[in-house]
Amino acid sequence: ETGVTQSPTHLIKTRGQQVTLRCSSQSGHNTVSWYQQALGQGPQFIFQYYREEENGRGNFPPRFSGLQFPNYSSELNVNALELDDSALYLCASTPSGTTASEQFFGPGTRLTVL
Amino acid sequence: DQQVKQNSPSLSVQEGRISILNCDYTNSMFDYFLWYKKYPAEGPTFLISISSIKDKNEDGRFTVFLNKSAKHLSLHIVPSQPGDSAVYFCAASEYNNNDMRFGAGTRLTVKP
Repeated sequence: ETGVTQSPTHLIKTRGQQVTLRCSSQSGHNTVSWYQQALGQGPQFIFQYYREEENGRGNFPPRFSGLQFPNYSSELNVNALELDDSALYLCASTPSGTTASEQFFGPGTRLTVL
Repeated sequence: DQQVKQNSPSLSVQEGRISILNCDYTNSMFDYFLWYKKYPAEGPTFLISISSIKDKNEDGRFTVFLNKSAKHLSLHIVPSQPGDSAVYFCAASEYNNNDMRFGAGTRLTVKP
């Protein structure tokens, strides 16, 4: 139990739609990262937020965007969904004062795009 | 661009024996390496890490070895237990860089 929760657990959307995924981390975890894990692959870094500001981004297009809120929750928004966006989306939070590598992952949201 | 590779998708060992999981990387700038364990329906859980200034780090039954010249790291689990059955991911990053790169994972099965 990492104390990081994600909602919803599963989601089905159609191509072209928009989706918002949510993550809630523990108090004091002021860094949150989002990852995309395609079937049979390891997690791929999408972006990271620190104190509500984007703090690094992986190789993902601008239609992937995020928000972090003062209450340690965050969102991942994906516009204009494509079939290849079907994946498990993981958020991970990091306690303040520790390295970004010591992350606590949530269980993920499985997104299916039809 | 797969900078971290786990070439064995699966590994099966007998309870009590040693499990050795391997990982190779290509980016010589990586200087921090981690292993995560993932059970079904759960997110990855941090297991053990090593920085590039070391070649070995041990935590109970788990030991990570780093060979910088070969750009190779391995995780040893001794003795293996059925509860160790999970998918293991290795990950690497440059110090203070938040872009952590993961391998595709190795599914370990420990048979009683």
